Amino acid sequence: DIQMTQSPSSLSASVGDRVTITCRASQSISSYLNWYQQKPGKAPKLLIYAASSLQSGVPSRFSGSGSGTDFTLTISSLQPEDFATYYCQQSYSTPRVTFGQGTRLEIK
Amino acid sequence: EVQLVESGGGLVQPGGSLRLSCAASGFTFSSYSMNWVRQAPGKGLEWVSYISSSSSTIYYADSVKGRFTISRDNAKNSLYLQMNSLRAEDTAVYYCAREPRSTSCVSFDYWGQGTLVTVSS
Repeated sequence: DIQMTQSPSSLSASVGDRVTITCRASQSISSYLNWYQQKPGKAPKLLIYAASSLQSGVPSRFSGSGSGTDFTLTISSLQPEDFATYYCQQSYSTPRVTFGQGTRLEIK
Repeated sequence: EVQLVESGGGLVQPGGSLRLSCAASGFTFSSYSMNWVRQAPGKGLEWVSYISSSSSTIYYADSVKGRFTISRDNAKNSLYLQMNSLRAEDTAVYYCAREPRSTSCVSFDYWGQGTLVTVSS
């Protein structure tokens, strides 16, 4: 299985901060990488697909980049509603996709 | 509006069985591949199973292969997961999730609210 490792595991930031979360794959996955946001007690929500494409309806302060093994999710200016847990997911080995362990974004 | 609503979760003893359902609405269910994804309490996400739009192709995670069966009824706009020989490690919230069409990078664009399965004596 392709292992996905996110860093950091948790992060404290303030409203208005620029935040970057990193996801590393155990092998090259080209651009087959998606990002999700999950709030407590809720289902995950797709933010970014194919490494850098913004899902419809997602604010433009979210962006994704990377290819191969290293990827980043950037939030340009944190809003109160952005405090959540973020997961990356590889679909190179579809349908047996795998997720990162998650990055918890907390209010400083 | 796309909606996915899971049901059927609950408390079951180890070795027992449970059948989860996912009722779909707001889109042409028969045109989409569907998946089950689970999340153990306080843990991350784990893909469980995939079924193509016509049920012709089915896959399972190694952790559930031989114990779980995915199926769908396109006439009823419903997805199912039959879970047998349940173990404590199957305890999780189970989500049904839709794959968008026409994309080479598989993602899950709509998710249900989840149904909790607890395996305990």
